[in-house]
Amino acid sequence: GAGVSQSPSNKVTEKGKDVELRCDPISGHTALYWYRQSLGQGLEFLIYFQGNSAPDKSGLPSDRFSAERTGGSVSTLTIQRTQQEDSAVYLCASSLEVRGTEAFFGQGTRLTVV
Amino acid sequence: QKEVEQDPGPLSVPEGAIVSLNCTYSNSAFQYFMWYRQYSRKGPELLMYTYSSGNKEDGRFTAQVDKSSKYISLFIRDSQPSDSATYLCAMSSGGGADGLTFGKGTHLIIQP
Repeated sequence: GAGVSQSPSNKVTEKGKDVELRCDPISGHTALYWYRQSLGQGLEFLIYFQGNSAPDKSGLPSDRFSAERTGGSVSTLTIQRTQQEDSAVYLCASSLEVRGTEAFFGQGTRLTVV
Repeated sequence: QKEVEQDPGPLSVPEGAIVSLNCTYSNSAFQYFMWYRQYSRKGPELLMYTYSSGNKEDGRFTAQVDKSSKYISLFIRDSQPSDSATYLCAMSSGGGADGLTFGKGTHLIIQP
């Protein structure tokens, strides 16, 4: 596709359930980023991938969060045993390279934990 | 001190005015600077991208970077109601490990 695609666009889940968020980056972009945006807050960096590798996972908020990327393309962010504080917009971005190139964002997945 | 400071606004100006949006930062390693526009319930849209100090112009938008002062600006000329959005500055050292560091965004309102 022409841009970064995220699915679902909206997700309502019950507390304690697992959710999986998907990001399809721009074709040919080797770098992929996940961010979280809470109401009234800035963008919180979660994790980045260079190809299929995530060198640093320390930005993930807790061990309930995990992310993977396969084939240097699609990435999934999984949240296990969701909590109400996980409610936020999860944004994915991709860029041609990790170093110093423009990052383009998807529309985000709005997650609501009830 | 936060790494990137940005006045949250709201900033309200009449249509046609010149708008000035600013960010300051503390990390001297930042070399790449971006401005994003975000409409309500949408993802951030890249507006301007600059490397190191200097000016860059694109249509009604001009981005300025002053690394010596650790200060970046976005100017919008002939502002339109459609420019009403939240504007986010973002910056990076280029290493990737910390992604982009964002300001919290300035909410801009252009009054018709």
